[in-house]
This record gives sequence, C-alpha cells and structure tokens, in this order.
Amino acid sequence: DADVTQTPRNRITKTGKRIMLECSQTKGHDRMYWYRQDPGLGLRLIYYSFDVKDINKGEISDGYSVSRQAQAKFSLSLESAIPNQTALYFCATSEEGTEQFFGPGTRLTVL
Amino acid sequence: GQNIDQPTEMTATEGAIVQINCTYQTSGFNGLFWYQQHAGEAPTFLSYNVLDGLEEKGRFSSFLSRSKGYSYLLLKELQMKDSASYLCAVRPNTNAGKSTFGDGTTLTVKP
Repeated sequence: DADVTQTPRNRITKTGKRIMLECSQTKGHDRMYWYRQDPGLGLRLIYYSFDVKDINKGEISDGYSVSRQAQAKFSLSLESAIPNQTALYFCATSEEGTEQFFGPGTRLTVL
Repeated sequence: GQNIDQPTEMTATEGAIVQINCTYQTSGFNGLFWYQQHAGEAPTFLSYNVLDGLEEKGRFSSFLSRSKGYSYLLLKELQMKDSASYLCAVRPNTNAGKSTFGDGTTLTVKP
C-alpha cells in the first residue's frame, strides 16, 4: 500500500465550485505540505503544517485553505475554483530535516 | 528570499555521463535535496547534501559547495529510464524548515 495517498486522482470542475482535495499518510510523519505544479515549472508551496495544531501559508496561498484533521490527514480546499487553478497538486510528508515523500498527485481542471 | 537556478533542458546519450547544475541564493542554508520526477508522476528523493563535497549513491552522485552556492547532480551510465525532470531544493536554516524548489531540469536520454 502507498504511504501517501491523494483523492481524487483526477477532477474536472467548473468555475465557482468548491473543491476539496484530500491527503492521507501512513508514515507517521508530523509534517505535511501541499504544492501545485504547472507545466514546465517546479513545485510551489501552498500551505504546510508541522503538527495538528500548526498551519502556515506558503508562497501561493491566496484562493486556497487547508485543514489538518489528524496527524495523518491534510486537506486542501479551493473555496471558489477559477481556471488558473488548473494544475497538478501534490501532497507531501516529512520528518524534521529529512526528505519529503510525495503522494501520486491530483490533476485538477477548472473549466 | 530564495532564488534557485537550473538549466531548463538537457539532452544526453545512453551510456554517457551528464552533470546537472543548480545554483542558489538563499537567506539561509541548511541542506540541498535532489529529486527525480518522471512526467506526470510524483517526485522521488535522490540525495541530500548538507556539507561540502561529493555524495555517491550508485550511478548517481551529488556535489555541494556552500561557499559558491552551487550543487550538481552527476548521472553515470545513462539509461533511457533516466529521462525525467530533476529538481533541486534548498532547505533554509530557519525554524520554518520548509524547502524551496527550483523549476527543474528536464533530461532527455537518446539512444
């Protein structure tokens, strides 16, 4: 079984809809992250959390919100989706000071 | 702030050696990661350098010079499956602990 899972894997939605992307991990890591990736670009950090009570904005948090429901779960919401939020979204986990482990990604298309 | 530069694309021949460079200008430094990402897939960890010098791991090696703000990833005995994007990520020495990613270098290995 995968250590970091994301649901859904693919989603097509319309402008203005509320969307939630979910991430679960079985690695027991305290740190979790949400990134988006656009074609030809690297990973840009949206939000990150170092434990259940800790939520921090990344470099591109506008238009997004998150919830850390438990150590193992970190959800990303788009309150009112817009076309320029079309991207590949990755969740990741890590221990302090170590490499990140990524989920398989969610491909989101906003029409 | 953080600024990380990598070449956008590189091409090499199967069986050859290729060096992918990464230069960085960051407000702090506490290590540099290299990740491999095949098209449409999640990034996977390759190496981590925190001290100057060369780290070797099979066909892949990574070098760091902190004084020059420079790292490279060396891939030997190239195989077709090495065609992928290679992402450089810098970890700052602040308590924030999150990494900043470069835009990645897309490597194409030709027969």
